[in-house]
Amino acid sequence: DTAVSQTPKYLVTQMGNDKSIKCEQNLGHDTMYWYKQDSKKFLKIMFSYNNKELIINETVPNRFSPKSPDKAHLNLHINSLELGDSAVYFCASSMRGSNYGYTFGSGTRLTVV
Amino acid sequence: SQELEQSPQSLIVQEGKNLTINCTSSKTLYGLYWYKQKYGEGLIFLMMLQKGGEEKSHEKITAKLDEKKQQSSLHITASQPSHAGIYLCGAEDSGGGADGLTFGKGTHLIIQP
Repeated sequence: DTAVSQTPKYLVTQMGNDKSIKCEQNLGHDTMYWYKQDSKKFLKIMFSYNNKELIINETVPNRFSPKSPDKAHLNLHINSLELGDSAVYFCASSMRGSNYGYTFGSGTRLTVV
Repeated sequence: SQELEQSPQSLIVQEGKNLTINCTSSKTLYGLYWYKQKYGEGLIFLMMLQKGGEEKSHEKITAKLDEKKQQSSLHITASQPSHAGIYLCGAEDSGGGADGLTFGKGTHLIIQP
């Protein structure tokens, strides 16, 4: 059983397109996140959602919008893709107040051409 | 948010040798996490440290958090090829398990046979 699953694993698209990356967790966690890892492997948080409320919103372009239909899902929608958006995007989840830490998905490699 | 400095940035070690990776912050670390990432894959949770002076071990990997909770070290004993990858330390701005993690820039570990 996959704890945090992301789809697709790879995504190649042209500049200007709109795309979505899906994330689902089956751990019963109440908070989910999106991270971006650049070409130098630097991992930086983009968003987090707790009980359908956005609680962290880092300085990312507003072309990026997280959407959470329920506690188990946090999708990332990207409008008007740019070359600089090429990166690996990781979804993660955690449970507030627990000591079990953060569980990460396996990542989505986005390439904008 | 805090900044985490990891050192060294990269490390080449002969198989069987011991090694240490450091993670330092100018602020108190609340919930210090160590992850390993194999090239092209997701993050694997290694250990979490919360208390000053805490030390945890799993197989040949030992992680410590200093008394001041501003520095953590990850020590690998008798390194093996399976230890190769990128090691990331991450920390929360405050304890709670759901604030997201700020990561260091990672340490690339190569094991030479």
